[in-house]
Amino acid sequence: EIVMTQSPATLSVSPGETATLSCRASQSINVNLAWYQQKPGQAPRLLIYGASVRATGIPARFSGSGSGTEFTLTISILQSEDFAVYYCQQYNNWPPWTFGQGTKVEIK
Amino acid sequence: EVQLVESGGGLVKPGGSLRLSCAGSGLTFSRYSMNWVRQAPGRGLEWVSSISSNSSYIYYADSVKGRFTVSRDNAKNSLYLQMSSLRAEDTAVYYCARGRFNIEKNWFDPWGQGTLVTVSS
Repeated sequence: EIVMTQSPATLSVSPGETATLSCRASQSINVNLAWYQQKPGQAPRLLIYGASVRATGIPARFSGSGSGTEFTLTISILQSEDFAVYYCQQYNNWPPWTFGQGTKVEIK
Repeated sequence: EVQLVESGGGLVKPGGSLRLSCAGSGLTFSRYSMNWVRQAPGRGLEWVSSISSNSSYIYYADSVKGRFTVSRDNAKNSLYLQMSSLRAEDTAVYYCARGRFNIEKNWFDPWGQGTLVTVSS
């Protein structure tokens, strides 16, 4: 089973700044990685797949990068609606399809 | 617009059973793999089960294998999760989520709003 590890657990950022979230896989997953955003009381929403491809309707301030075992989600010019929990998920080796434990982006 | 609506959650005693349903609309349901993902209160996301478009391939997390059964009815645009021998640790919001045409490249989009299953005496 591939273990996904996200860091940090919590990221305190001021609106207008940039947030950088990390996700590490326990073995290479090529670029078979997705990122999701989840706000309180809501279902997760797909942001990124293929490590760097924005899903339909996702603003350009969200960008993904990385390959192999190291991945990054960057949120530029943070808006108030971006404060949420973010999860990465690998779909290279399955089952199981595995998620990271999440990074909470909170207002500083 | 693609919509997935779960139903069937509720309070059940340990050892009991429950059947969840997920109704899809706005999509050609029969073309996609479908999935169940759960989230325990205050916790992260855990993949539970996946089923390919024609039900030929079915997968379960080890934590539910032998207790949960996933199925689908493409004529009714519906996905199901039959849960039995329920345990307290199965308490979670259960989401259904659309996968891909090809179950191999299985990211999840979109997700339903979820249905809460509480296992408690």
